[in-house]
Amino acid sequence: GAGVSQSPRYKVAKRGQDVALRCDPISGHVSLFWYQQALGQGPEFLTYFQNEAQLDKSGLPSDRFFAERPEGSVSTLKIQRTQQEDSAVYLCASSLVPGTGKEKLFFGSGTQLSVL
Amino acid sequence: DQQVKQNSPSLSVQEGRISILNCDYTNSMFDYFLWYKKYPAEGPTFLISISSIKDKNEDGRFTVFLNKSAKHLSLHIVPSQPGDSAVYFCAVNFGNEKLTFGTGTRLTIIP
Repeated sequence: GAGVSQSPRYKVAKRGQDVALRCDPISGHVSLFWYQQALGQGPEFLTYFQNEAQLDKSGLPSDRFFAERPEGSVSTLKIQRTQQEDSAVYLCASSLVPGTGKEKLFFGSGTQLSVL
Repeated sequence: DQQVKQNSPSLSVQEGRISILNCDYTNSMFDYFLWYKKYPAEGPTFLISISSIKDKNEDGRFTVFLNKSAKHLSLHIVPSQPGDSAVYFCAVNFGNEKLTFGTGTRLTIIP
């Protein structure tokens, strides 16, 4: 399809495990965002890429969180030594233009991470 | 700290009537406001937006109203349809590339 694709759809991890979440944005989209949505909350900003450059990582909750987009398309969000508080839905979004906060974002269906 | 609040976790409306969803935000000079709609097991989808220089924006059955003095945003859906049943998130751009979302309101349209 032509939408934003995220995998896996569900991930169960034991506390302390490392996980990697993948996002395939819409082809040609310049901007890519990661958001974290805890149960009963709205999405919260994690990080922003413009092409391959990570321009804002102010929302990453700790140095256990790392994101990359090496070729300006696919992005991976990696969480090291997962903790129970990392349990959430991780949403990826992309947009055609550089991020200003005013453009329409296209979201993927998310990866639901459960840390046991 | 810039905040966005949706104080009604849920709302039920009869089909054909008007649905009104509300959102309050903290003060900021450079604001842009968006509404996203989310179905279960799907990501949010963009619905409608409004710039801080306007007080109303309309798109078909959806109208967003902005009251800057009250720091209040509302989304009106009329007439409401069963397919409108979803969670609605208000989002505010406070001047950079990121959005701050409210906690959402679950709208249920009763046939």
